[in-house]
Amino acid sequence: AQSVSQHNHHVILSEAASLELGCNYSYGGTVNLFWYVQYPGQHLQLLLKYFSGDPLVKGIKGFEAEFIKSKFSFNLRKPSVQWSDTAEYFCAVNPPGGFKTIFGAGTRLFVKA
Amino acid sequence: NAGVTQTPKFRVLKTGQSMTLLCAQDMNHEYMYWYRQDPGMGLRLIHYSVGEGTTAKGEVPDGYNVSRLKKQNFLLGLESAAPSQTSVYFCASSYSSRREGLDEQFFGPGTRLTVL
Repeated sequence: AQSVSQHNHHVILSEAASLELGCNYSYGGTVNLFWYVQYPGQHLQLLLKYFSGDPLVKGIKGFEAEFIKSKFSFNLRKPSVQWSDTAEYFCAVNPPGGFKTIFGAGTRLFVKA
Repeated sequence: NAGVTQTPKFRVLKTGQSMTLLCAQDMNHEYMYWYRQDPGMGLRLIHYSVGEGTTAKGEVPDGYNVSRLKKQNFLLGLESAAPSQTSVYFCASSYSSRREGLDEQFFGPGTRLTVL
């Protein structure tokens, strides 16, 4: 079945450590790609999105993601995490021509102060 | 702009009771969605709408009904609540352009529902 896979369900890091969260999807053709963040007790908010152009996308709060078409991947990165980055992160894909967004299962990040 | 709002924020039901969750958006978005979020399962799409007067089933539609009588509102109904419907429910809206297709989703604050 076509899907969106996030490799890590739980990640624990110390402050100032680098972060990389993996995301792979299985849809062919042109897709729109997103990373959302959900802080504890809150709703999902957009971190960044990719439609076309430069495959390295910069988002809010120092996050960036790289689209690698050949690997069907859209990994999220941050050079130095902060305690306030503790949240759940969702990768999402809009398959071509569709009306729905497909979400990954999420990765829970805990940053130790 | 309020964005996407949901009412109520919390609700406790007994098995067999019914209720309606209301979602409203003031961004003139065509597309609206209802999701449920359960621990370890991410977001699962219940129903969605691509415009006023239209609805479609998502991944987990059983036990739920929806209506989109007005463009800005999307209602989710539980006719006979079951404990398996204990969850956090999120509404979202989105828009689409001819050039870029379906864009980001804007989420409401969520409704925490407990069915006893």
